[in-house]
Amino acid sequence: ETGVTQSPTHLIKTRGQQVTLRCSSQSGHNTVSWYQQALGQGPQFIFQYYREEENGRGNFPPRFSGLQFPNYSSELNVNALELDDSALYLCASSLAGTGAYNEQFFGPGTRLTVL
Amino acid sequence: AQSVAQPEDQVNVAEGNPLTVKCTYSVSGNPYLFWYVQYPNRGLQFLLKYITGDNLVKGSYGFEAEFNKSQTSFHLKKPSALVSDSALYFCAVRDDTGGFKTIFGAGTRLFVKA
Repeated sequence: ETGVTQSPTHLIKTRGQQVTLRCSSQSGHNTVSWYQQALGQGPQFIFQYYREEENGRGNFPPRFSGLQFPNYSSELNVNALELDDSALYLCASSLAGTGAYNEQFFGPGTRLTVL
Repeated sequence: AQSVAQPEDQVNVAEGNPLTVKCTYSVSGNPYLFWYVQYPNRGLQFLLKYITGDNLVKGSYGFEAEFNKSQTSFHLKKPSALVSDSALYFCAVRDDTGGFKTIFGAGTRLFVKA
């Protein structure tokens, strides 16, 4: 059983650019969530995808968007990067179902620096 | 809106002593609560969860948590701390209102001194 993987590990962008972060979910998991973790803070929920549809979103602007693919890999896209977008971006997968409140399995994260 | 609070930024404990990391929550319905741990330069790891049932939940690495509905708390505990327990601990609550999301606390850094 493979764990959650993310790429790239580190990324440096300049303000105004666009970035795509990638995640490969744990085998068998049908749900993926993305989080932003600023230095010294807890993870902030960005959005969740279940079976390729967004079914939950936190307080992030529309320039944060995502995709989940049939093989349960996913992408986080951020347009018009701002300095405050600098953070660790975490992907987490889980197995969701009716009445199930299963734990999430996190990837190691992508460290994004916006200059 | 659902929320969790971790009132302590840092907890210091000597190895071998019991440890407690505090968490309080605010939910409008049934609480679904989780504890995760984060080691340096690594993602979060699941420790335990409370969905329903016994108020004392046992999890990984000898950790347990006590759910107290009247005090809206879900404190993480371990009878005997290890130096290797030193890490960042996060309490989280599942929020299913208006979509599905998980809300994390700000985290508590645990230092276990040898």
